[in-house]
Amino acid sequence: DAGVIQSPRHEVTEMGQEVTLRCKPISGHNSLFWYRQTMMRGLELLIYFNNNVPIDDSGMPEDRFSAKMPNASFSTLKIQPSEPRDSAVYFCASSFRTSGSWDTQYFGPGTRLTVL
Amino acid sequence: SQQGEEDPQALSIQEGENATMNCSYKTSINNLQWYRQNSGRGLVHLILIRSNEREKHSGRLRVTLDTSKKSSSLLITASRAADTASYFCATGSAGGTSYGKLTFGQGTILTVHP
Repeated sequence: DAGVIQSPRHEVTEMGQEVTLRCKPISGHNSLFWYRQTMMRGLELLIYFNNNVPIDDSGMPEDRFSAKMPNASFSTLKIQPSEPRDSAVYFCASSFRTSGSWDTQYFGPGTRLTVL
Repeated sequence: SQQGEEDPQALSIQEGENATMNCSYKTSINNLQWYRQNSGRGLVHLILIRSNEREKHSGRLRVTLDTSKKSSSLLITASRAADTASYFCATGSAGGTSYGKLTFGQGTILTVHP
């Protein structure tokens, strides 16, 4: 298996621009998580999906952030408009959740976002 | 907010020594996991311990869990320079609707000098 795939790996953009981060989870996994990691705040859970349905988006910082999962093999995280404080590494992770299962998450390599 | 609190925040040791990292948490859990992150990479799962287990081993890793104290420790024996990384504990909620959500701590930065 190729693991969790994220694109792009690096993104540099100017303040005010729209940014779209992409994630392909491991085939067969039914839960998908978006995280943001910074030195100041550590690893923060932004939103997660189960069977393509958003379960909890309470970690999304504000309305400028949105996430979708149109099918089981693709998710996007969009920031519009972007701001310098959005600069961080964004990780996508997936897991296979069944009743009584123990939830190991598999992380992608991350997208390093720099907003100038 | 992060539930897990790792201690110490940073640990520096010589190759061959053992490294011990601790994690404390606040709410009831059904499992606790440890992850490793190499610089510039994503997190990688190391080991999972269930709430009804007290100790678990995997190669050079030993994890203990004390649910009465809401704490866990990760021991890496005979450390190697390649073990240099950040280590995170993550807790899975005892609630039935978590859908696999994990709460990560702030991490311990381990440096192993050759």
